[in-house]
Amino acid sequence: SAVISQKPSRDICQRGTSLTIQCQVDSQVTMMFWYRQQPGQSLTLIATANQGSEATYESGFVIDKFPISRPNLTFSTLTVSNMSPEDSSIYLCSVEIYRGNPNYGYTFGSGTRLTVV
Amino acid sequence: TQLLEQSPQFLSIQEGENLTVYCNSSSVFSSLQWYRQEPGEGPVLLVTVVTGGEVKKLKRLTFQFGDARKDSSLHITAAQPGDTGLYLCAGAAPDSWGKLQFGAGTQVVVTP
Repeated sequence: SAVISQKPSRDICQRGTSLTIQCQVDSQVTMMFWYRQQPGQSLTLIATANQGSEATYESGFVIDKFPISRPNLTFSTLTVSNMSPEDSSIYLCSVEIYRGNPNYGYTFGSGTRLTVV
Repeated sequence: TQLLEQSPQFLSIQEGENLTVYCNSSSVFSSLQWYRQEPGEGPVLLVTVVTGGEVKKLKRLTFQFGDARKDSSLHITAAQPGDTGLYLCAGAAPDSWGKLQFGAGTQVVVTP
């Protein structure tokens, strides 16, 4: 299955600033997914990023706050804009494991732990 | 949004004991996946179940998918400290095309 390199692994940011998180996949994938995991909680899907088109955002998430780029089939970025302490979370990217694989599912990056002060 | 209720939220057991984690919903899923997440890492896929009534075994872990494809369970036999982690179930709704709905997670702690 695909291997994802995500960076930075953690950051501490001032409120009002922006942080861009990068995900690099070692193979070409059609869709990449961005999740948020707030402290002590489960994963919530932010958006789905397809190459060549605008990302599709889930309810409660907007492009102005979480702009996403998907310049090619192996790379995507998520920016957390105009940050506030409520944005402190772990952000994860994910790609699909090939559907023909008996263990079809998703591979995740190791996450970016963001603290906003 | 299809809700997945996962229970219990927290489980602390001694090495060698058995445990079961449950994942329930009122909605049907086309597939259901179980992940384990350790601190500082992303979730790692353990298994995917797709057929109602399906049972899969992964060493000491047994996964079941309900006949109606609305619920699942994870049973660990003779738990070891290495089984410690956050266990997450995640369901893919029909026609969701890649979107997963995650349960709240069960934190399992196995002490020697």
